[in-house]
Amino acid sequence: GAVVSQHPSWVICKSGTSVKIECRSLDFQATTMFWYRQFPKQSLMLMATSNEGSKATYEQGVEKDKFLINHASLTLSTLTVTSAHPEDSSFYICSANHRDRVDEQFFGPGTRLTVL
Amino acid sequence: QKEVEQNSGPLSVPEGAIASLNCTYSDRVSQSFFWYRQYSGKSPELIMSIYSNGDKEDGRFTAQLNKASQYVSLLIRDSQPSDSATYLCAVNVHDMRFGAGTRLTVKP
Repeated sequence: GAVVSQHPSWVICKSGTSVKIECRSLDFQATTMFWYRQFPKQSLMLMATSNEGSKATYEQGVEKDKFLINHASLTLSTLTVTSAHPEDSSFYICSANHRDRVDEQFFGPGTRLTVL
Repeated sequence: QKEVEQNSGPLSVPEGAIASLNCTYSDRVSQSFFWYRQYSGKSPELIMSIYSNGDKEDGRFTAQLNKASQYVSLLIRDSQPSDSATYLCAVNVHDMRFGAGTRLTVKP
């Protein structure tokens, strides 16, 4: 149990376009979902935390108007990178808390975004 | 001071040896501690969680926690080349904070 999926697994887009990444908890209801970004050879950086039905909480320095997060249900959260630029190219990973195991985070497989 | 600190490595051990990975954290109220393994280009996967002082063993992995010293470690016995990865220490206070990771290489 506690499987998290992400779609797409990779995406290449042109500068100025928007990209949507989906994160789903497949076999459990997630109380909270998290979005991370990881640049090459660096650690995970938390971007935002989202709870179903409420606005996401963004980490300092993360532009909420650029990285739109929608948490429509207990099993789905989406991250939209708006007006993407080459510096947004990164590995985006979501994770989710299992309702019965709130201390642990279960990670999705990640989405590699390349902006040309 | 960083919230969660790890030696970035790289740490290199021969196959069959014990790999020792260390982590310190700054917030004394931390209660939950985790070790994740991350292969290159992949997302982290949970290896161990530990909540109380002492040792916790799971197969070849042993997590050790010392809250007084604010220290948590991971021992990998009989290291295998497939253990070569980056190991992330994570501490949950109000939310999860990750260390920068230690890159481990197990040489055949």
